[in-house]
Amino acid sequence: DTAVSQTPKYLVTQMGNDKSIKCEQNLGHDTMYWYKQDSKKFLKIMFSYNNKELIINETVPNRFSPKSPDKAHLNLHINSLELGDSAVYFCASSPRTSGGAGELFFGEGSRLTVL
Amino acid sequence: AQSVAQPEDQVNVAEGNPLTVKCTYSVSGNPYLFWYVQYPNRGLQFLLKYITGDNLVKGSYGFEAEFNKSQTSFHLKKPSALVSDSALYFCAVRDPNTGFQKLVFGTGTRLLVSP
Repeated sequence: DTAVSQTPKYLVTQMGNDKSIKCEQNLGHDTMYWYKQDSKKFLKIMFSYNNKELIINETVPNRFSPKSPDKAHLNLHINSLELGDSAVYFCASSPRTSGGAGELFFGEGSRLTVL
Repeated sequence: AQSVAQPEDQVNVAEGNPLTVKCTYSVSGNPYLFWYVQYPNRGLQFLLKYITGDNLVKGSYGFEAEFNKSQTSFHLKKPSALVSDSALYFCAVRDPNTGFQKLVFGTGTRLLVSP
């Protein structure tokens, strides 16, 4: 069983379109994240939810909107896609251990290509 | 804000030789430190972490890391490299005083192990 699963794995779309990436974790974790990895492999946190509540919202354009219907799911919707949005988007989860000592468990990534 | 630096873009080592991948960090208090590995077209996999206690931490696949508070470093090491260790390695830091869920990653170091 895949612990953190993302769909779709690959996404190719035109500029201006709207797209969504879905993430589900079956680890029973309370906290989920979205990270963006650019073409130089830099990883940057975008959002974090703790039990459906948004706790981290980095400087991300308003076109990006996360949604967490329950603590096992965290989806990412992107409006009006731009060329610069092309990247690999990683979902991750972590247990809510005391003081944040828990490691993150990552999905396999969703590669978004905007043409 | 916490940050982490990986000064080497790439490390080359011959199979059977020891390897070191460097990482230095900056946090306001005591850090939580992590190492992850990423194979091509895969998500990040957790290797090891330092939270408290013994400065030498042992992790998966024979890797270990040493926490050095005076040098603010957390270098990843392995006594004998394997060709299969070739991958992208990320150091990450979390500052439990300023936002326990935010894990900040370094820029990554590519490890190439030659046969």
